[in-house]
This record gives sequence, structure tokens and C-alpha cells, in this order.
Amino acid sequence: KAGVTQTPRYLIKTRGQQVTLSCSPISGHRSVSWYQQTPGQGLQFLFEYFSETQRNKGNFPGRFSGRQFSNSRSEMNVSTLELGDSALYLCASSPQSHTEAFFGQGTRLTVV
Amino acid sequence: AQTVTQSQPEMSVQEAETVTLSCTYDTSESDYYLFWYKQPPSRQMILVIRQEAYKQQNATENRFSVNFQKAAKSFSLKISDSQLGDAAMYFCAYRSGEGAQKLVFGQGTRLTINP
Repeated sequence: KAGVTQTPRYLIKTRGQQVTLSCSPISGHRSVSWYQQTPGQGLQFLFEYFSETQRNKGNFPGRFSGRQFSNSRSEMNVSTLELGDSALYLCASSPQSHTEAFFGQGTRLTVV
Repeated sequence: AQTVTQSQPEMSVQEAETVTLSCTYDTSESDYYLFWYKQPPSRQMILVIRQEAYKQQNATENRFSVNFQKAAKSFSLKISDSQLGDAAMYFCAYRSGEGAQKLVFGQGTRLTINP
């Protein structure tokens, strides 16, 4: 079974631009959650989607948004990028919410 | 809000020795899950072990075991017979039993294995 796939692996963007990150969960998994990892703030929860509905949202500004498609694939969008958005963005999937999460290898976003 | 604290930013151990990583958490909930994740240089988070709060028995997975002290809100990870491949960042994480898949992570402990 293929694992959680995140694309792209690396991304460099300029301040003010927007970016879309993609996450393909393990086949059959309906829950997809996103995390931001930075040296200063550590791992922080962004949001979770389950069956195309956002179930939970972390404490991030409205510039961070996401969605989930009917095939459970998820995208995360960040608009008006700031230098502080430079981070590793991790996606995790699980069959349903009451089970452990399996993580992808992340997308390393650098904002210059 | 729940918080997770890992007080050891770095730890080192000799190969084949045993090491214990500490984690404390704060919550007012009675139903929750605790996890230890490993993040090697490849950056992928790998689940090491999980513990359900309602279970009194400590979880064990091969060389990895936990010491879960619910009253003290402590959840330490013991790695026996340390191997070079165990070198990584280790994160303790909390998840509410309410249903949403939201993990609260500690700051991590960087584990070095000395040959």
C-alpha cells in the first residue's frame, strides 16, 4: 500500500505570492490533517478534513486554507506569503479520526 | 488547552545501552491518547508507540516501551538495546479522545547514538 504522498517536496516562493500544497492520503483513509513545523514554534496543527468537511482548525490566520476532494486528496493554500511562513508542512492521514495518523514526508516551503 | 512538554532538548546514549526520554502533559480530559513519534533526517514522522489513557498496562513495541503515569501526567519512552538507526528527533504527542484528529506535540528530543 502506498504511503501518504505530498507534492511538491520543495518549493521556493516570493513574499506576497500564494502557494498550494497537495496531499494524497493512504488509500481508504478519509481523514487528512495538516501541520506546520518550524524551528521556533515546533509542530503546530493547521486543520483536519474528514469526508470533505473541515472538522477542526488550529490557530492560524485566514491566509491558511484547505480543502478535501471526494477522493480524500487534500490541498492546502497559503495566500499573501510572509517570510515567517517558511516551514516544513506535514500532512497526515488516518482511516477515521479514532486511529493513529500516518505522515507524509512533507513539503519544505521557503519564502524569500 | 492541552500542552505537552519535553524537558530534554538533546539526549545521547551508547549503542546497545538503554535510554529514557521524558514527556509530561497537561489536560483536564479523561479520554485521550498519547503517542511517541520519531522523525529521522528524512523528515517523515514515524509512529513508534501509542497508549490509550484508559489502559493501565504500559504499551510495548519490541525494544520500545513506555512508562505511563496517568496521575502524574507523565509518559516516558524507554528504548532498550539502542541502535544507530534509532538516532532521530523524538516527539511526544497528545490527542483528545473526542474524535478529531488533532495532535498536540511537544518540542522534541534529539537522540544521538554513539557507536
